[in-house]
Amino acid sequence: RKEVEQDPGPFNVPEGATVAFNCTYSNSASQSFFWYRQDCRKEPKLLMSVYSSGNEDGRFTAQLNRASQYISLLIRDSKLSDSATYLCVVNPYNNNDMRFGAGTRLTVKP
Amino acid sequence: DAEITQSPRHKITETGRQVTLACHQTWNHNNMFWYRQDLGHGLRLIHYSYGVQDTNKGEVSDGYSVSRSNTEDLPLTLESAASSQTSVYFCASSESRGQETQYFGPGTRLLVL
Repeated sequence: RKEVEQDPGPFNVPEGATVAFNCTYSNSASQSFFWYRQDCRKEPKLLMSVYSSGNEDGRFTAQLNRASQYISLLIRDSKLSDSATYLCVVNPYNNNDMRFGAGTRLTVKP
Repeated sequence: DAEITQSPRHKITETGRQVTLACHQTWNHNNMFWYRQDLGHGLRLIHYSYGVQDTNKGEVSDGYSVSRSNTEDLPLTLESAASSQTSVYFCASSESRGQETQYFGPGTRLLVL
């Protein structure tokens, strides 16, 4: 079993739609969680950290469910510019040795 | 502006050759990392360093080595390139052990024939 698993997609949604991605992780002792965004043939960039209480940044909401060991990312009012691959990242060992999911690909269409 | 750069951006080599990929950051970050990214896999950590003269093996370190002689650079060496090492390589840095946000370089696409 992979340490971090994501639905690879692709998710194809129209502009203005709400879309949600889930990510599961295997190490119950994991302390830190993140969503990164990666555009085609580009480097990953931090989108947002995921806090235990959940957090929101504009149209993006991240949630953590420790009991079920998953994190989620909700994107509201999707824009064309949201088209990218979203990487779930977990820090299972409480150091900088991060574990990345393979990514979920999102395409937002006009 | 501070940044992290990688060179070369593209490289074609033959099996058995030694290859070195450069990574240079101007943020004065203590932590530096090398990842590889392959289709169907997430980024996988190859080696990392928490400071000068410090290096550590990551998840997929076999066939790779790094050295950290200064804060700015962490070159990645493939001792004897293999076709299985064809991949996209990303270098990243973060400020300190307590700072988990990693900043990635633009990547190096390596093809081993």
